[in-house]
Amino acid sequence: DIVMTQSPDSLAVSLGERATINCKSSQSVLYSSNNKNYLAWYQQKPGQPPKLLIYWASIRESGVPDRFSGSGSGTDFTLTISSLQAEDVAVYYCQQFYTTPYTFGQGTKLQIK
Amino acid sequence: QVQLQESGPGLVKPSGTLSLTCAVSGGSISSTNWWTWVRQPPGKGLEWIGEIYHSGSTNYNPSLNSRVTISVDKSKNQFSLKLSSVTAADTAVYYCARGVWLDYWGQGTLVTVSS
Repeated sequence: DIVMTQSPDSLAVSLGERATINCKSSQSVLYSSNNKNYLAWYQQKPGQPPKLLIYWASIRESGVPDRFSGSGSGTDFTLTISSLQAEDVAVYYCQQFYTTPYTFGQGTKLQIK
Repeated sequence: QVQLQESGPGLVKPSGTLSLTCAVSGGSISSTNWWTWVRQPPGKGLEWIGEIYHSGSTNYNPSLNSRVTISVDKSKNQFSLKLSSVTAADTAVYYCARGVWLDYWGQGTLVTVSS
């Protein structure tokens, strides 16, 4: 299985500041034939299902605010929130869909400082 | 707008079989998508259980492979999960979702394994 490791486990950022969450895969999730990274990011608020933010590592899902961005390639990826809003408090997960079993990172809890 | 809704018993006895159904509305289960089950133990992270295509092709998590079965009923526009020989470790919120990157999710249903 591909192991997904997120860092940090928790993060406190001031309102309006930048938040950065990292995700590392145990093997590359870049498919060379189409040059796409098979990596997604989700946001989960308490009592709710996860919400898709980003797929193909950097493509923002429709309706997701543009303060959310994804970057990286191969084994190292980053989710950046450019200006933290109160409603961004949540747990964030990365997921690889390169090969089954698809696997998630352990989650990063984002709070307001 | 695609919507998914899980249903099934909220309590299952140890060694029994967990059975859940996911009803899909606002779209056809025969569209070009995989249909997925994910679970989340209380206070913990997400675990991918498996997926099914409308043709009946399936992929399962090897950690559960011998106990899990996912099926599809195109006539009812729904798909189902069966997990056999359950233990307390299978207590979780079970979600159904669409795709390989999961763009639509059900609200989830808590299944508790207890006698």
